[in-house]
Amino acid sequence: DVKVTQSSRYLVKRTGEKVFLECVQDMDHENMFWYRQDPGLGLRLIYFSYDVKMKEKGDIPEGYSVSREKKERFSLILESASTNQTSMYLCASSSTGTPQYFGPGTRLTVL
Amino acid sequence: GENVEQHPSTLSVQEGDSAVIKCTYSDSASNYFPWYKQELGKRPQLIIDIRSNVGEKKDQRIAVTLNKTAKHFSLHITETQPEDSAVYFCAARGNEKLTFGTGTRLTIIP
Repeated sequence: DVKVTQSSRYLVKRTGEKVFLECVQDMDHENMFWYRQDPGLGLRLIYFSYDVKMKEKGDIPEGYSVSREKKERFSLILESASTNQTSMYLCASSSTGTPQYFGPGTRLTVL
Repeated sequence: GENVEQHPSTLSVQEGDSAVIKCTYSDSASNYFPWYKQELGKRPQLIIDIRSNVGEKKDQRIAVTLNKTAKHFSLHITETQPEDSAVYFCAARGNEKLTFGTGTRLTIIP
């Protein structure tokens, strides 16, 4: 059974904190993605990675960075969390260039 | 970049009736159009997709149509059932990135 897992379902952080969101897939997929989902805005791409140590900016990369040291793991980093980064964060993986399988999501609240 | 508009934002249909969700896209180079279903509190799931060299694709009760000239594509659900209640997202891939529509909340009325 296909699995994409995320490190936390719910996370509460304070403004200015460094935040790590982790995503792991067990399908040996080359491609992994980070999206944020906000009501009325759909899913917006933050970053994606097509191979280990490779990354590409998506539509809204400002305030975020990513790390992919191993094929199965893709991390999203908020260097200094701000209240406008309160959102649902979804990770996805794929054997193609578009997301096939999503993780359960992490609802991040920044106070 | 690509811009995808999705209508309607909410849709209620009687169980057993059909539902249609429409999307338009701006980039004439877009060549791949997936649809995702997200049930309440769950992750999005890819339910069907269509490529630009095909005009229609069916999978049981769901079908997608694509009109490249008009740059619009649609999701059709026939004989709707309560488990079809969800938010549906269209998307279009142009310039190597996938752009999502803003979603349609479909409610099936028993």
